[in-house]
Amino acid sequence: GAVVSQHPSWVICKSGTSVKIECRSLDFQATTMFWYRQFPKQSLMLMATSNEGSKATYEQGVEKDKFLINHASLTLSTLTVTSAHPEDSSFYICSARDPGWGGNEKLFFGSGTQLSVL
Amino acid sequence: AQSVTQLDSQVPVFEEAPVELRCNYSSSVSVYLFWYVQYPNQGLQLLLKYLSGSTLVKGINGFEAEFNKSQTSFHLRKPSVHISDTAEYFCAVSSYGRDDKIIFGKGTRLHILP
Repeated sequence: GAVVSQHPSWVICKSGTSVKIECRSLDFQATTMFWYRQFPKQSLMLMATSNEGSKATYEQGVEKDKFLINHASLTLSTLTVTSAHPEDSSFYICSARDPGWGGNEKLFFGSGTQLSVL
Repeated sequence: AQSVTQLDSQVPVFEEAPVELRCNYSSSVSVYLFWYVQYPNQGLQLLLKYLSGSTLVKGINGFEAEFNKSQTSFHLRKPSVHISDTAEYFCAVSSYGRDDKIIFGKGTRLHILP
């Protein structure tokens, strides 16, 4: 069964509104979660690394104020796209790392969220 | 820093024929290697991974991959594909550290022809 639950699976919103995407680890406590963005027919681009209890680490070129990440508990990280615009439309995927291993040996992915901004 | 190159953006294969999806990586340190599959509008599912030990790794759905350190390759193979194998396949690399990121290739779309 799925060990990472991501919701919603798809969302349509009006330009200027904010959208929150949740990522939950079901079978383990994930101290580290990752958020990716995927454009059609392209690879996953890492947006940020979310660490429980501390500020997220954003990749170069990713706007911190636009893509707010909160990792308030060991099983939940949220990505909020603030004041969304059509160019933010994309497929967003989260992943959670099982801390029982040293690195990325056990990394589980959510099913993704298709965001469409009208 | 690591990088991954998937040489083919698309690979068409007839059903029940063998397939090889190519992946080359670049790294100055030892790495873990992964193959993930993505079905339409879904997240990623791990097919197989190489961490250490035997260079031939067997994964789910009949896939296998061979780690070749001298050629810095990790090609994915299946002896006989099925229509259900139609998907996007991503090769990925990560170094060993706890704070290290996993880097994905651009993906290869596998088209199974009837």
